[in-house]
Amino acid sequence: GQNIDQPTEMTATEGAIVQINCTYQTSGFNGLFWYQQHAGEAPTFLSYNVLDGLEEKGRFSSFLSRSKGYSYLLLKELQMKDSASYLCAVRDRGSNDYKLSFGAGTTVTVRA
Amino acid sequence: DAGVTQSPTHLIKTRGQHVTLRCSPISGHKSVSWYQQVLGQGPQFIFQYYEKEERGRGNFPDRFSARQFPNYSSELNVNALLLGDSALYLCASSLEWGASYGYTFGSGTRLTVV
Repeated sequence: GQNIDQPTEMTATEGAIVQINCTYQTSGFNGLFWYQQHAGEAPTFLSYNVLDGLEEKGRFSSFLSRSKGYSYLLLKELQMKDSASYLCAVRDRGSNDYKLSFGAGTTVTVRA
Repeated sequence: DAGVTQSPTHLIKTRGQHVTLRCSPISGHKSVSWYQQVLGQGPQFIFQYYEKEERGRGNFPDRFSARQFPNYSSELNVNALLLGDSALYLCASSLEWGASYGYTFGSGTRLTVV
């Protein structure tokens, strides 16, 4: 099975930076995704890493170290609308499927 | 362009009943996956379909079943509903099956079992 751990909650001030860590254990690693999910809504894609290193996309960056089973999502210049749950998901190659295994999500609260 | 559409958006059922949830993937997408998200948790994988064939099944009882139609839309069926089946059911579509493709999620069906 897969073990994906991320902090439950984080709070930060508008304009600040927040880093959400994710550690994972998986047998058939095939990429790591970060999704943003507002309450009651669909998860929306933020970033994807399959090779080690940093991927930057505007205010959001994501880092992956496959040898350490570790990723982080960096949110810069926080805005109130960034208050949401952030889901770390690992794509695992099974015998006949490519499924996503999710962490429980990190709820980020941005304060004025 | 229409995204992934799911119906109904909300549903209330009684224990023991049966429910059918529907999903239409993005036009041109051939793979559909179903996930269950219980409040406060991350989504859990239920099924993956590609070209009308089941490609994967998560750790869910046989009360859960699904199918994919020739137009690539999909249905998730749950029999003998339990209170614990109350959750947000998410459908994700992908262009093809494989490691090179991302996933787009629908807004989900909120199922409440009373």
